[in-house]
Amino acid sequence: AQTVTQSQPEMSVQEAETVTLSCTYDTSESDYYLFWYKQPPSRQMILVIRQEAYKQQNATENRFSVNFQKAAKSFSLKISDSQLGDAAMYFCAYRSSDFGNEKLTFGTGTRLTIIP
Amino acid sequence: DGGITQSPKYLFRKEGQNVTLSCEQNLNHDAMYWYRQDPGQGLRLIYYSQIVNDFQKGDIAEGYSVSREKKESFPLTVTSAQKNPTAFYLCASSPFRTGKATEAFFGQGTRLTVV
Repeated sequence: AQTVTQSQPEMSVQEAETVTLSCTYDTSESDYYLFWYKQPPSRQMILVIRQEAYKQQNATENRFSVNFQKAAKSFSLKISDSQLGDAAMYFCAYRSSDFGNEKLTFGTGTRLTIIP
Repeated sequence: DGGITQSPKYLFRKEGQNVTLSCEQNLNHDAMYWYRQDPGQGLRLIYYSQIVNDFQKGDIAEGYSVSREKKESFPLTVTSAQKNPTAFYLCASSPFRTGKATEAFFGQGTRLTVV
């Protein structure tokens, strides 16, 4: 079974600075998908960024980028120019590419605080 | 608007009672999921369904039951056998067998409290 580990329960960053959230995962599969989801105080889950394991290029979405290290099974999220609206819980998630096993497995989350 | 709707937003249950949480989607997604969220434990999978009339247990299925009679609906029943049901419950849906990193869409959740 796949597992996802987020070792930072809480992080804080000054507004306009850069912060990196860590995520590692364990799998024996060679092809899979990785996601970062954001959960603000409203508790609505919002997709931040996604990565397909077969792609070597790191995904980017505006101020959000990932550092995907397949051999190390690491998938960290970098938030640049942090804004007050970035304050939320961030969850890393794994999904198999196996058509019979397309469930999302989540880490325990990192609570990000933005300091004005 | 397309989306996924959970109801009710807040639910109170007396000990020993069964209660059903509703989840409806109009995104034409084949796959639907139920997650439980507790502080410090992230989202844990209760049940998932990838096709009508079929569903699989997740990691914490004990004390829960589901049905999938229609593609749009995936209700979750929290039975009296669930010893600690107070939690936040999230329903999600996604396309199935796309071969891509398609995202799952989430409802706004139901907060269940046992009184």
